[in-house]
Amino acid sequence: DAGVTQSPTHLIKTRGQQVTLRCSPKSGHDTVSWYQQALGQGPQFIFQYYEEEERQRGNFPDRFSGHQFPNYSSELNVNALLLGDSALYLCASSPGDSYYSPLHFGNGTRLTVT
Amino acid sequence: GDSVTQMEGPVTLSEEACLTINCTYTATGYPSLFWYVQYPGEGLQLLLKATKADDKGSNKGFEATYRKETTSFHLEKGSVQVSDSAVYFCALSPLSGGYNKLIFGAGTRLAVHP
Repeated sequence: DAGVTQSPTHLIKTRGQQVTLRCSPKSGHDTVSWYQQALGQGPQFIFQYYEEEERQRGNFPDRFSGHQFPNYSSELNVNALLLGDSALYLCASSPGDSYYSPLHFGNGTRLTVT
Repeated sequence: GDSVTQMEGPVTLSEEACLTINCTYTATGYPSLFWYVQYPGEGLQLLLKATKADDKGSNKGFEATYRKETTSFHLEKGSVQVSDSAVYFCALSPLSGGYNKLIFGAGTRLAVHP
């Protein structure tokens, strides 16, 4: 039973570019959350998707957007990249329409903006 | 707003030493509290949780007690092993009993030497 998988593992982008990160949730999970973890910091909540819609959003600018597909996988898009967007991006999935189920985290995508 | 503060690392211990990692929080209402662990190159794993005052979470020899009077949730282990070396994150969910929109501390790196 595969857990949460994220791709790519690492990528390097130039300031001003756009990037797309991908996440496949754990089998049986249909809710996907994204977190940003800057170096030496704890993860920060970006947004959560359920039933292909953004259900909740943290304090991130509109440059950060997402999508959830019918198979529950999800994408995180970041436009007009800034140096400060360099971070580990974590995807977490959970089952059902519930805020009371534990989150399962993927290993993350390390984004470096130069 | 809600926040989590945990002791800075790194914490360096010899095998079989006692561990305490301090965590305090600021929140309105009745948050749920968590400890997550991140091993090198991996995502976050839930270590233990407590959902109401005076609850004690425990797992793999680690314990933490939800102290509402001191707004604390300190992580303790009586005898650490080399395999416990990792980064530990204290977190809260503003939703009582839930895992929604987790707010993390900055993390504390633990290094255990033989």
